[in-house]
Amino acid sequence: DAGVIQSPRHEVTEMGQEVTLRCKPISGHDYLFWYRQTMMRGLELLIYFNNNVPIDDSGMPEDRFSAKMPNASFSTLKIQPSEPRDSAVYFCASSVVRGSYSTDTQYFGPGTRLTVL
Amino acid sequence: KNQVEQSPQSLIILEGKNCTLQCNYTVSPFSNLRWYKQDTGRGPVSLTIMTFSENTKSNGRYTATLDADTKQSSLHITASQLSDSASYICVVRRLNYKLSFGAGTTVTVRA
Repeated sequence: DAGVIQSPRHEVTEMGQEVTLRCKPISGHDYLFWYRQTMMRGLELLIYFNNNVPIDDSGMPEDRFSAKMPNASFSTLKIQPSEPRDSAVYFCASSVVRGSYSTDTQYFGPGTRLTVL
Repeated sequence: KNQVEQSPQSLIILEGKNCTLQCNYTVSPFSNLRWYKQDTGRGPVSLTIMTFSENTKSNGRYTATLDADTKQSSLHITASQLSDSASYICVVRRLNYKLSFGAGTTVTVRA
């Protein structure tokens, strides 16, 4: 298996532009997570999906952020309009979860390094 | 206030030596605690996952302990290698799948 695939690996854009990050989870995984990591705030969970349905988006910082999962093999995280403070590494992860006490292992993608000028 | 506190923030050790990282949490209700290793420029990789009923779990030279009563966990690295240089992140999961992240400990192993 190729693991979690993210694209692009690096993105540089100007303030005000729309940015779309893409993720392909591991086949058969029913949970998908979007994270953001910065030096100041560390790793933060933005949103996660179960069977393509958004379950908890309380980590999404603002309405400028939106995420979709149109099918089991693809998800996008969109920022519109982008701002310099959105600069971070965005990770996608996937897992298989069974039950409240599940010890699911999340597999992370390589991340997308976003720079907003 | 962060509900997961890690210490030390960073440490430097000589190759072959052991070290222990600490994670204290106040998250409740607790489901499980995870330790991740993150190499520079890469995504985190799961090392161990422990539920409240588990006291210790090993993954090669990595051994994690958990005291659910005192809400403390540690990650012990035995006979460190240069490849152990990384950030180690403690993550606590609630029953409702809310995740709380520690800020991480940066380990540097020197020859």
